[in-house]
Amino acid sequence: NAGVTQTPKFQVLKTGQSMTLQCAQDMNHNSMYWYRQDPGMGLRLIYYSASEGTTDKGEVPNGYNVSRLNKREFSLRLESAAPSQTSVYFCASSELEVQPQHFGDGTRLSIL
Amino acid sequence: GENVEQHPSTLSVQEGDSAVIKCTYSDSASNYFPWYKQELGKRPQLIIDIRSNVGEKKDQRIAVTLNKTAKHFSLHITETQPEDSAVYFCAASGMDSNYQLIWGAGTKLIIKP
Repeated sequence: NAGVTQTPKFQVLKTGQSMTLQCAQDMNHNSMYWYRQDPGMGLRLIYYSASEGTTDKGEVPNGYNVSRLNKREFSLRLESAAPSQTSVYFCASSELEVQPQHFGDGTRLSIL
Repeated sequence: GENVEQHPSTLSVQEGDSAVIKCTYSDSASNYFPWYKQELGKRPQLIIDIRSNVGEKKDQRIAVTLNKTAKHFSLHITETQPEDSAVYFCAASGMDSNYQLIWGAGTKLIIKP
């Protein structure tokens, strides 16, 4: 089992460009999450999907959109990238909400 | 909303000694408290968690204690080893956060040989 797979692993963008971060899990989990991690800070929730067909905003949703494509896949889109969005992005999944979360390896995103 | 504070930000201990990391939370209705370990450049990984109906939980050299009255919970690592060196994060989940995890800022644990 691969667990949670994120692509790409690294990306450099110019300000104003758009891109989509992909996440897929093979654990048949219902809930999926997108976090960002900045130096010296804990993880901050961007968006989550408690179950297939639902998405909700987290602490820091501005500048992002998400799509829960099916039970396995949950993508994060930056429509117009800004330098403040330079970060490491982690996708996670859990069987249900308020259950242990399993993380992907992260995407290191730099916006110039 | 929920706020989680974690202390200390850096902890240096001699190999073989114990390490204690403490977190406080603000939402008295919080009911789930996990601890994650993150090695440099790696993903966070769950090491232990506790729910509000339990005061203490142990797993080999790792234990977590919860004091609901004082709204704090602590990670205890005994007989520390070099491979325990990492950043440790606490988190809390409750009604104020719509049952999503709110994370502490992390503690860098350094094990001195």
